[in-house]
Amino acid sequence: EAQVTQNPRYLITVTGKKLTVTCSQNMNHEYMSWYRQDPGLGLRQIYYSMNVEVTDKGDVPEGYKVSRKEKRNFPLILESPSPNQTSLYFCASSYLGTSGGSQETQYFGPGTRLLVL
Amino acid sequence: QQQVKQSPQSLIVQKGGISIINCAYENTAFDYFPWYQQFPGKGPALLIAIRPDVSEKKEGRFTISFNKSAKQFSLHIMDSQPGDSATYFCAASMAPPAQGGKLIFGQGTELSVKP
Repeated sequence: EAQVTQNPRYLITVTGKKLTVTCSQNMNHEYMSWYRQDPGLGLRQIYYSMNVEVTDKGDVPEGYKVSRKEKRNFPLILESPSPNQTSLYFCASSYLGTSGGSQETQYFGPGTRLLVL
Repeated sequence: QQQVKQSPQSLIVQKGGISIINCAYENTAFDYFPWYQQFPGKGPALLIAIRPDVSEKKEGRFTISFNKSAKQFSLHIMDSQPGDSATYFCAASMAPPAQGGKLIFGQGTELSVKP
């Protein structure tokens, strides 16, 4: 079954305590990305990766780091979490079919709800 | 310039009716317009997407209408069912994500379909 998995699903932490949210996909997709979802703001992209060792900033990258050492994994790292990073986080992977156009296949993970005290 | 504005914020429709959600964008360089469906406690799911070379795309009961000159696109859900009750997001980007496009999302519409 094609899927994107995230761990943990729920996390409560304190300001300044480093944490990592893992993301893994089993579809051999080259493109992966992280989003945060906040009420009234929709989803905003944090970072994305076009392939192994290729990452770039999205719209809200401040306070986050990522790495892409393997194709299937794309962890999100918060070196020093702050309360304004309390949010719902989604990882996603994408593939554009050979027919191009709008035949994008995109899967989102189930989300990680983070509370930073 | 990068915004995507979505309306309405919430929508209540009777079973069997047509649900219509609208989005407007400003950046004329946007070239990919997807819609997502999100159920409570779940991640978004790509529903349907359109490129600006067509004015309409239909998949089952879901149709995207695209008006390039007005910089607007909309999602129509025909014969709406209670199982369609979810939050819907529109988005826009200069290319599909797999080609490096950065999606800009609308604020979301909470749809409730009453039996």
